[in-house]
Amino acid sequence: AQSVAQPEDQVNVAEGNPLTVKCTYSVSGNPYLFWYVQYPNRGLQFLLKYITGDNLVKGSYGFEAEFNKSQTSFHLKKPSALVSDSALYFCAVRSYTGGFKTIFGAGTRLFVKA
Amino acid sequence: EAGVTQFPSHSVIEKGQTVTLRCDPISGHDNLYWYRRVMGKEIKFLLHFVKESKQDESGMPNNRFLAERTGGTYSTLKVQPAELEDSGVYFCASSHQGFDTGELFFGEGSRLTVL
Repeated sequence: AQSVAQPEDQVNVAEGNPLTVKCTYSVSGNPYLFWYVQYPNRGLQFLLKYITGDNLVKGSYGFEAEFNKSQTSFHLKKPSALVSDSALYFCAVRSYTGGFKTIFGAGTRLFVKA
Repeated sequence: EAGVTQFPSHSVIEKGQTVTLRCDPISGHDNLYWYRRVMGKEIKFLLHFVKESKQDESGMPNNRFLAERTGGTYSTLKVQPAELEDSGVYFCASSHQGFDTGELFFGEGSRLTVL
C-alpha cells in the first residue's frame, strides 16, 4: 500500500537560514512525488513535482526538492527562508499502479522567525 | 480562470443531521477528487470522479457518505446522518483528464463540525 510519512509536525527556522522539510514514502512502482503548501484559510497550492530525470527539482517561491530513490525520500529545501514561507507543507505520492489516486502525508508546519 | 470553489466554507450541524457539500471544479477538468483532513492527520482520499463516473471510491468511509457528479460538472458530497467522527475539513480538487503526472488544483475546503 502507498504511504507518505512526514516525521516532523513542526519545523522552526530563522529567517535567512536554510530549511528542510522531510518526507519519506512507500509505493510500488515508480513514484510521482509532489509538494503542496497551504496558507491559512486557503486551499493547497502546488509547489513542485518529481516525475523522472534530474533528482533535484525546482519549484515555486525558490523551493526545491531532492528525490533519493535508495532512501525513498523527497525532502523539501530552500537555501534561505523567509517569514512569508511560514505555512503548512504536504508531501504527496502517486504511483503508476495506484492509478490517479494521490496520497498525502500528515503535513509539517513551517515556522520562520524573523 | 476561476479556481476550484467549494461551498459552504463552514458548516456546524448536530449529530444525526444531514449536510451537503458542493464543489465546482475548474472548467474543463474531467478529474474531480474529494479528500478529508481530520485535525492534525493526513489528508485522506475519499473518491475520484472522471466526468460523471466514479473511478475510485475506495476511500469513502461508509454508506452514510454519498457523492454525485451529475453531468460531469459540479459535485456534491452528502453526509447522512452525520456522526461526530465526520468532523473535519473536506477538500475538493480537480485536474486535467489523462494527465496523471499533473498537479491537483484544490479548493479552500469545507470545514464540517458535527456536535
